[in-house]
Order: sequence, then structure tokens, then C-alpha cells
Amino acid sequence: GNSVTQMEGPVTLSEEAFLTINCTYTATGYPSLFWYVQYPGEGLQLLLKATKADDKGSNKGFEATYRKETTSFHLEKGSVQVSDSAVYFCALVEIQGAQKLVFGQGTRLTINP
Amino acid sequence: KAGVTQTPRYLIKTRGQQVTLSCSPISGHRSVSWYQQTPGQGLQFLFEYFSETQRNKGNFPGRFSGRQFSNSRSEMNVSTLELGDSALYLCASNQGGTILFDTQYFGPGTRLTVL
Repeated sequence: GNSVTQMEGPVTLSEEAFLTINCTYTATGYPSLFWYVQYPGEGLQLLLKATKADDKGSNKGFEATYRKETTSFHLEKGSVQVSDSAVYFCALVEIQGAQKLVFGQGTRLTINP
Repeated sequence: KAGVTQTPRYLIKTRGQQVTLSCSPISGHRSVSWYQQTPGQGLQFLFEYFSETQRNKGNFPGRFSGRQFSNSRSEMNVSTLELGDSALYLCASNQGGTILFDTQYFGPGTRLTVL
């Protein structure tokens, strides 16, 4: 079945460091891809999305490009802030079958000042 | 526009009891989905309701059920609670089209603890 694999956390960086969180997927056809973020004690917030190959999603300085050839959707940010500390989830939407989000296991990111 | 709201935010129950969680979607959204989040299993899809009908279902036992009202508000019920049902239950809403393109917006969740 469809699945999402994220790099294992936790990830700890210093403020202003460059961030990459890897995400690869297995899916039938060409799913839509998402990054959601979960701040402590809160639900999920959509960070960015891409609906077709070579699309780049971006928001709040974060970017991710839908790479069909490598089945990847890596999250990047050039200069992280303490406020970016959260858990990040990569997800896909299945094209066939149930209309649902399939999530990766999440990557906990901590940014130290 | 108000976001997705869930009540209650926290619940403590004992094994064998049943529980009902509530979700109010964003105004105008007709689809409501439920997800369970646990440290071990991560985020898993429970079911989706659209126009008062269950449209999609995940792989959970029949103890987990839900319904949707004519105003699109949704409830989920868990009967005969087990310790393993302790989780954060998240509700998400969208306008009702395919979620390939129609983004789901999540509520803050209900934290259920089963003792």
C-alpha cells in the first residue's frame, strides 16, 4: 500500500542553521504531497503542499519540491528560528481507495538559541 | 473564519467505559475526517463523513463509530474502552471535494486517557 517515510528524529539545530527533513513516499500514480507541522499542545497545521511533479510548495520560509523521479518531498529552510521547534509530518493523499491522508511518523525538530 | 473546534480538549475514562468526542468543522465545510494519533502507531485515519454519510473508513474495530449531523458537526464514539485507545483524536474538515486538491484543516484534538 501507499506509505511515507521520514528521516528519524529528533533533530536538533542551532538558530540560523539550514534545515533539511527528508521524506520519501510509495504510492500508486501521482499523489498530492503535504507537510504539516504540529506545535506543542496543538493540532496539525498545513505548512505547504504540492499537487504534481516538479511543483514547489513554500510557506514561512519553508520549501519542498515534488520529485517524481526520486519519489521525494524533502522539507528545507535556509535559516531556522527557535519558533520553528515542532513536529513535522510529511503526508500524501491516496488517489485510489479511501480519500485520506497517509502520514509519515513525524520528525521532532528542536532549535536552540 | 473560525477554525475547526473539538470538545472536550481532555478526557479521562476507565477501561470498559464509552466516550463521545465532538467536532465542529469550518463554516461551509461539509466533510469531516477523524484521525487517531499515538506515539507507537503515529497518525491513522479512522473515518470520513460527508453529507451525514460515512464515505470512507480506516482499519479500526467496530468499537469506533461516528456520525455527522445536518449542520456538518460530527461526533465519534468509542465503546468498551481499552488502554490502547489512549490517544490524541484529531478532527479535520474540508469543503468536500477530493482531498487531492481540497486541503484538510485540523482541529486542536481531544486528548483521551484510558485508565
